[in-house]
Amino acid sequence: AQSVTQPDIHITVSEGASLELRCNYSYGATPYLFWYVQSPGQGLQLLLKYFSGDTLVQGIKGFEAEFKRSQSSFNLRKPSVHWSDAAEYFCAVGPYNTDKLIFGTGTRLQVFP
Amino acid sequence: DADVTQTPRNRITKTGKRIMLECSQTKGHDRMYWYRQDPGLGLRLIYYSFDVKDINKGEISDGYSVSRQAQAKFSLSLESAIPNQTALYFCATSDRISQGKSTDTQYFGPGTRLTVL
Repeated sequence: AQSVTQPDIHITVSEGASLELRCNYSYGATPYLFWYVQSPGQGLQLLLKYFSGDTLVQGIKGFEAEFKRSQSSFNLRKPSVHWSDAAEYFCAVGPYNTDKLIFGTGTRLQVFP
Repeated sequence: DADVTQTPRNRITKTGKRIMLECSQTKGHDRMYWYRQDPGLGLRLIYYSFDVKDINKGEISDGYSVSRQAQAKFSLSLESAIPNQTALYFCATSDRISQGKSTDTQYFGPGTRLTVL
């Protein structure tokens, strides 16, 4: 069955530190991949997406993600975290030629000054 | 103005009551979705609609119904609310990728926090 796993429920980092949020998916072919961010009290906002081409994709707010087919992963990274990045992050998979997104359970990021 | 709006933003109701959550969009998208979010479970799809005449059940449709009144409006109803329907509900819209089924970026509303006592 198609699924998305975000193994880290909660991550805490210091402001200015680097960040990597993990996402693994289960699917037989290359899916469409998304990262969304949910700030407190807000809806979900798209950070970046991967459909094809260059496996390193750049998003908004200084985030990037790398698609690794061999590892079935699409990890989100940021070189230097800002306090405003504190939020919940969701990875999502849109399997090719299907009509739904499958969301992971989310990773809550806490940033200390 | 926001592209995807949801009303109400917060609602407290009692067990057994009928509740309707409304969603409107100005993005001109054909596809609309209703999700619920529970802590530790992420987002789960309740219903989705490709156009006014095409409505489909999602992962957790039991206890819910929907109505697509127009391209821009998609309502979610709880016919007889129960406490385990207490959750944060999101509406979303999207375009499809080319002529296939695959969905493009989904754009989310701000959510409706529903509490069933």
